[in-house]
Amino acid sequence: EVQLVESGGGLVQPGGSLRLSCAASGFTLSDYWMHWVRQAPGQGLMWVSHINDDGRTTRYADSVKGRFTISRDIARNTLYLQMNSLRADDTAVYYCARGSGAAAGKGDYWGQGTVVTVSS
Amino acid sequence: QSVLTQPPSVSGAPGQTVTISCNGRSSNIGAGYDAHWYQQFPGTAPKLLIYGNTNRPSGVPDRFSGSRSGTSASLAITGLQADDEADYYCQSYDSSLSGWVFGGGTKLTVL
Repeated sequence: EVQLVESGGGLVQPGGSLRLSCAASGFTLSDYWMHWVRQAPGQGLMWVSHINDDGRTTRYADSVKGRFTISRDIARNTLYLQMNSLRADDTAVYYCARGSGAAAGKGDYWGQGTVVTVSS
Repeated sequence: QSVLTQPPSVSGAPGQTVTISCNGRSSNIGAGYDAHWYQQFPGTAPKLLIYGNTNRPSGVPDRFSGSRSGTSASLAITGLQADDEADYYCQSYDSSLSGWVFGGGTKLTVL
């Protein structure tokens, strides 16, 4: 059974850092593209970043470029999102999603989300 | 402001049919990239509802159907039921942004 379990969210002050984790089971990260998607309170879904199946290509939304870094640990089968220089508008539920079908593929499995709150 | 445009809300009585539109541009749906649809209930993660414009994952009732034409996609829900009340999002890939793009979401109310 495919499962994605996020962790690492919490309350952080503006300018601070957090690292989110997404533990995958039931499949191997190296076989799929993986994405981070966030949802601000009361708002819609926004794509944040992706990493391709061989781990060599990463992309970011303009609003997080230079501040966030996506990575993975194949041995742990875990996806990460390092978030630095956090701002109030980064406050959101962060979901990891498995991408099936390369960059343009569908998000066929999603984690339950982890809440990030940026506030002083 | 979302790259893909959806109506903020739609409504219908039980048993009726509603359609949700998703308007894109030449760098996403219009470029031939697939449209996918997700259903989200409050406090839960999105769930894949339609993929590749017209396909239903296993377990999704055939009351849900999708289509794509030009720079737009649509989701139709027939035989509305009370438990269809949710938010619905379209998603595609945008070549100029090099990533996924979403619609702003449509809240479905079953009257």
